[in-house]
Amino acid sequence: NAGVTQTPKFQVLKTGQSMTLQCAQDMNHNSMYWYRQDPGMGLRLIYYSASEGTTDKGEVPNGYNVSRLNKREFSLRLESAAPSQTSVYFCAIPGQDRYEQYFGPGTRLTVT
Amino acid sequence: AQSVAQPEDQVNVAEGNPLTVKCTYSVSGNPYLFWYVQYPNRGLQFLLKYITGDNLVKGSYGFEAEFNKSQTSFHLKKPSALVSDSALYFCAVRFFTGRRALTFGSGTRLQVQP
Repeated sequence: NAGVTQTPKFQVLKTGQSMTLQCAQDMNHNSMYWYRQDPGMGLRLIYYSASEGTTDKGEVPNGYNVSRLNKREFSLRLESAAPSQTSVYFCAIPGQDRYEQYFGPGTRLTVT
Repeated sequence: AQSVAQPEDQVNVAEGNPLTVKCTYSVSGNPYLFWYVQYPNRGLQFLLKYITGDNLVKGSYGFEAEFNKSQTSFHLKKPSALVSDSALYFCAVRFFTGRRALTFGSGTRLQVQP
């Protein structure tokens, strides 16, 4: 998964706690994406960013905020975690020819 | 709205036999179609894509997929399955224009038995 790094790899939160998932890319792409993966539902888009300083909602944005302060980093914040946010979170950037997407290694989050 | 369906939760096949993982899509314009694979506790790896041109596209690890516009399908195939092909497979679609995010199917678990 060279090109996209995500931290942390694993996290356990209690309901109501907050945390920020970090994503960084070294491919100099304008676009970055956050997805969540749940069993039987594939990956669903939470938020995306077309360029530095811009963000837009995806399919499932409720309960999340994002920040794209520079071109390299795109963070996802859970202000008050809920058990329904237990999931695996993937950050993605455009692939080599910009049609496909290239995914980071993921963050496995459990909210109890 | 665009959508992707993978009608099979799991596909079982014997090693050495051909495999097919099904995908159908619903979009109002020209689709870009993709297949990804996810091995246990790993991220998603890109396998292949259809953008335009030849309906049969070849990808990584000996996989190929056939784009069928009349049946709105993009089935993943491999002539001879390997045990190491056992993984979770996702079909995805993207519009020609717009935010360029992917819409994924629910995934199909491929189990190849020795």
